Amino acid sequence: EVQLVESGGGLVQPGESLRLSCAASAFAFRTYYMRWVRQAPGKGLEWVADIKGDGSEKRYVDSVKGRFTISRDNGNSSLYLQMNSLTVADTAVYYCARGGVWGFDVWGQGTMVTVSS
Amino acid sequence: QSALTQPASVSGSPGQSITISCTGTSSDVGRYNYVSWYQQYPGKAPKLMIWEVSNRPSGVSNRFSGSKSGNTASLTISGLQAEDEADYYCSSYTSTTTPHVFGPGTKVTVV
Repeated sequence: EVQLVESGGGLVQPGESLRLSCAASAFAFRTYYMRWVRQAPGKGLEWVADIKGDGSEKRYVDSVKGRFTISRDNGNSSLYLQMNSLTVADTAVYYCARGGVWGFDVWGQGTMVTVSS
Repeated sequence: QSALTQPASVSGSPGQSITISCTGTSSDVGRYNYVSWYQQYPGKAPKLMIWEVSNRPSGVSNRFSGSKSGNTASLTISGLQAEDEADYYCSSYTSTTTPHVFGPGTKVTVV
């Protein structure tokens, strides 16, 4: 079964860092764009970042540029999101998702990130 | 603020058809046939329902259909069922520095 499983969420204080992981299984991971999408409590979905299959291209939403870094390890079918200088506005459920320009066809269950003092 | 516009809520009776609109611009919905729709139940991950405007993934009921005209895409749910009560989000690829944008979501209620 094609599956994505996120981990690494938690409660941190403003200014701190967190690293999210996403383990993929049962598909050719290296051939897909992978992305992170977040959802603040009670709010809609927001694309955060994505990375090309070979890792050569990375893109970010303006609000996280310079603070977040997306990366991948194709040998271990894993996706990562390093989040630095976290703010209250980054509080959300973070989903990893598979897809291309056409959409996001496989989603993980999400991991909650809470930034609070 | 979302780049795409959706109605906050749509309701219908069992068996009826409803349509959710998703309005964008010439930089996203109007430019590309890369509009997708997602269903989300409370506390659950989104699920892809439609991709590239009108394609249904395997396993998605044919009661769900998509279309597009100009800068507006639409999701139609026919033969509305209680299990269709959920939030629905549209998304589009864009030509801007943010390659994927979502609408604010539409809450579908089956009354």
